[in-house]
Amino acid sequence: DIALTQSPDTLSVSPGERATLSCRASETVDSDYLAWYQQKQGQAPRFIIFGASFRADDTPDRFSGSGSGTDFTLTISSVEPEDSAVYFCQQYGSSPVTFGQGTKLEI
Amino acid sequence: QVHLQEAGPGQLRPSETLSLTCTIFGASVSDGGFYWTWIRQVPGKGLEWLGSLYHTGAASFNPSLKNRVGMFVGTSENQFSLELTSVSVEDSAVYYCARQFSVRYGWFGPWGQGALVTVSS
Repeated sequence: DIALTQSPDTLSVSPGERATLSCRASETVDSDYLAWYQQKQGQAPRFIIFGASFRADDTPDRFSGSGSGTDFTLTISSVEPEDSAVYFCQQYGSSPVTFGQGTKLEI
Repeated sequence: QVHLQEAGPGQLRPSETLSLTCTIFGASVSDGGFYWTWIRQVPGKGLEWLGSLYHTGAASFNPSLKNRVGMFVGTSENQFSLELTSVSVEDSAVYYCARQFSVRYGWFGPWGQGALVTVSS
């Protein structure tokens, strides 16, 4: 199974600052098939990025995904208070699909 | 707009069988281009994919579950179900159903709100 390691475990930023979250895979993610999810307290996860860099229809453009191979990044260009959540990455290039352990973003 | 809702018992004893049903609103199991899936999350921990179901009834499962898992299309086209046999305390988690995009092994969205399952003697 492909292991995904996210860093940092917790990231504290102020509103308006840039947030950079990392997801590293134990082996190459085929075709950059990587997604990012946002999970707010008490809610189910919601996908925000697929294919490493493609935003979901309802994802604000301050969110961007990048990377390829084994190293991927989720960037929030100017953090807003409602971005407080846990963010997970997920690879879907190999079976079984696997998730990272999450990064908690504190605003 | 598509949304999903899980239903099932909140508490089980070890060795019992967990049965959960997912009801889909605004879509159908037979919709092309999607699988239908179950994922679980131990509170405060990570996410684990359990398996996925296609409208034909074909399914794939996470090998970690060691043949304890089954998934089935419901009698109505807007339901599908999960069965997990011989549960233990390690199966205590929030269980989510979700739609899965059928690109390679797919990403998931939307998700149901989750069903908390506790296994305890």
